[in-house]
Amino acid sequence: GAGVSQSPSNKVTEKGKDVELRCDPISGHTALYWYRQSLGQGLEFLIYFQGNSAPDKSGLPSDRFSAERTGGSVSTLTIQRTQQEDSAVYLCASSPDLGYGYTFGSGTRLTVV
Amino acid sequence: SQELEQSPQSLIVQEGKNLTINCTSSKTLYGLYWYKQKYGEGLIFLMMLQKGGEEKSHEKITAKLDEKKQQSSLHITASQPSHAGIYLCGADGGSQGNLIFGKGTKLSVKP
Repeated sequence: GAGVSQSPSNKVTEKGKDVELRCDPISGHTALYWYRQSLGQGLEFLIYFQGNSAPDKSGLPSDRFSAERTGGSVSTLTIQRTQQEDSAVYLCASSPDLGYGYTFGSGTRLTVV
Repeated sequence: SQELEQSPQSLIVQEGKNLTINCTSSKTLYGLYWYKQKYGEGLIFLMMLQKGGEEKSHEKITAKLDEKKQQSSLHITASQPSHAGIYLCGADGGSQGNLIFGKGTKLSVKP
């Protein structure tokens, strides 16, 4: 597609429920990133996929968070047993390769009530 | 770990005025990115700087990376309401390939 597409754009969920956030990167971009932006905070790196390499999961805040990237394209970020502190905007970005300008999606605003 | 500090945190300027936003790194910068974010939208890539002393311009926005490669500034000339938003600087986080970000500078432009 023309840009990075994220869905849903907004998600309200009850505490304890699982949620899945989807990211559809720009076609042909080998690198895909997930970031989280909490209110009043900067962007926090979560996870990074590069081609067929094992993902860099060093930024995931707990084992409730996981992400997959199927077929080197679409990625899904899953948060299990959501907590109120998980409320944030989750941003996905893709780039043609390491070190190139990144293109971000519009984000998914997650609210845990 | 590397940290980016942006200043000011927020800025209100009158339309037509010039302004500067700064981004200071705790370590040498090997790639510095400037992004703009409007509410409800994703980040828009503005510019990337890599070489010490490098300066790039796009329309009325100019970004510089100082010689020591630890600070970058973003300068807007003759600001317009369309310039309003949150400006974020990002830097290569190292071998992992991810970016680290400053907390952003919120710019408001009064007509």
